Amino acid sequence: SQQGEEDPQALSIQEGENATMNCSYKTSINNLQWYRQNSGRGLVHLILIRSNEREKHSGRLRVTLDTSKKSSSLLITASRAADTASYFCATGAKAAGNKLTFGGGTRVLVKP
Amino acid sequence: GAVVSQHPSWVICKSGTSVKIECRSLDFQATTMFWYRQFPKQSLMLMATSNEGSKATYEQGVEKDKFLINHASLTLSTLTVTSAHPEDSSFYICSARDFGWTGPGGNQPQHFGDGTRLSIL
Repeated sequence: SQQGEEDPQALSIQEGENATMNCSYKTSINNLQWYRQNSGRGLVHLILIRSNEREKHSGRLRVTLDTSKKSSSLLITASRAADTASYFCATGAKAAGNKLTFGGGTRVLVKP
Repeated sequence: GAVVSQHPSWVICKSGTSVKIECRSLDFQATTMFWYRQFPKQSLMLMATSNEGSKATYEQGVEKDKFLINHASLTLSTLTVTSAHPEDSSFYICSARDFGWTGPGGNQPQHFGDGTRLSIL
């Protein structure tokens, strides 16, 4: 079952702008991961943040985690047309046997 | 590294046909692989966890006799959709965990195949 809820469901921005999407979850987690999915393709792992971490960067990506609010955000800075994709958060929890539970996803369209 | 190959990428077949989908880890060993199903514009729903050398663990509501999983080696898991019907049409994606992962247990990414689009006529 889906644990995460993502907000917004869809986002349309101009190239060069920043894109921010949020993920909320319900139970205790070991980590939270963000994945990208291009249309009709599999998922590409972007970044993993552990439950004891608050912020993590990777290139133009910035992820925050607030375990007290059970929420995370993904920021893509200086977006490019190639960033057009669906973005999913997924939580890993020991209680769930470390299986991933995915959020509903945010569809991002970056217009050139 | 950490490449997962899924085959075929697209299948169109008649109702009643059984369809086999392969998921291979190309450059690492995977004792655990996962099978997901995704409907258009929706998220991934875990169907089952495939364990090398043992029976798969199915999620609630997934018919194990309908979706047969075999994980006979450390690099290959197969999902067979038996007697497929139009309602089985979907995007099926596999993922794998690296057996050689040396980081903290549970804190490793999954590596995904490119998915199989199954269309049953």
